[in-house]
Amino acid sequence: GAVVSQHPSWVICKSGTSVKIECRSLDFQATTMFWYRQFPKQSLMLMATSNEGSKATYEQGVEKDKFLINHASLTLSTLTVTSAHPEDSSFYICSARRGVWRGSSYNEQFFGPGTRLTVL
Amino acid sequence: LAKTTQPISMDSYEGQEVNITCSHNNIATNDYITWYQQFPSQGPRFIIQGYKTKVTNEVASLFIPADRKSSTLSLPRVSLSDTAVYYCLVTSGSARQLTFGSGTQLTVLP
Repeated sequence: GAVVSQHPSWVICKSGTSVKIECRSLDFQATTMFWYRQFPKQSLMLMATSNEGSKATYEQGVEKDKFLINHASLTLSTLTVTSAHPEDSSFYICSARRGVWRGSSYNEQFFGPGTRLTVL
Repeated sequence: LAKTTQPISMDSYEGQEVNITCSHNNIATNDYITWYQQFPSQGPRFIIQGYKTKVTNEVASLFIPADRKSSTLSLPRVSLSDTAVYYCLVTSGSARQLTFGSGTQLTVLP
């Protein structure tokens, strides 16, 4: 159980176009989903926290008008990179937090496989 | 959130036991220690979580001393497929997000 999927797994687009990435929790309801970005040889950096039915909370330095996040249901969150540029090329990873505390596992999060975005 | 410090890289040989130590001097009373594994171009995968003393599962053991200011992830008899980046995180039940440090690149050699 606790599987998170992302679609697409990779995407190549031209500069100036918008790209949508989907994150789904397949077998549980995710009250909260998180979006991370990871550049080569670097650690994961949290971009935003997405709560179902409410506006996302963005980390400092992340442009909310450029990275649009929608969390329309308890199993789906989307990240749209608007007017993408080459510097937005990165590995985008989502995670989903299960709503129920299980045993000693506080803050139990499950990660998707990631989406490789390349902007030409 | 407590900051974590771990070695940037480690090398080991197949069949050996690998111990990766993480320091977290400012860990709070309600914080847990969680380790994730990440392969290239994949999302992180949960390995193990603990609060104190020792926790063991099918893939690893986690040792946490009484003062909880450090923890050691132990991987028994590593194989080439264990080559990955290992992240130590301090996770709080009250905080919602995870903060990843720099991680340890483990390279297992034949």
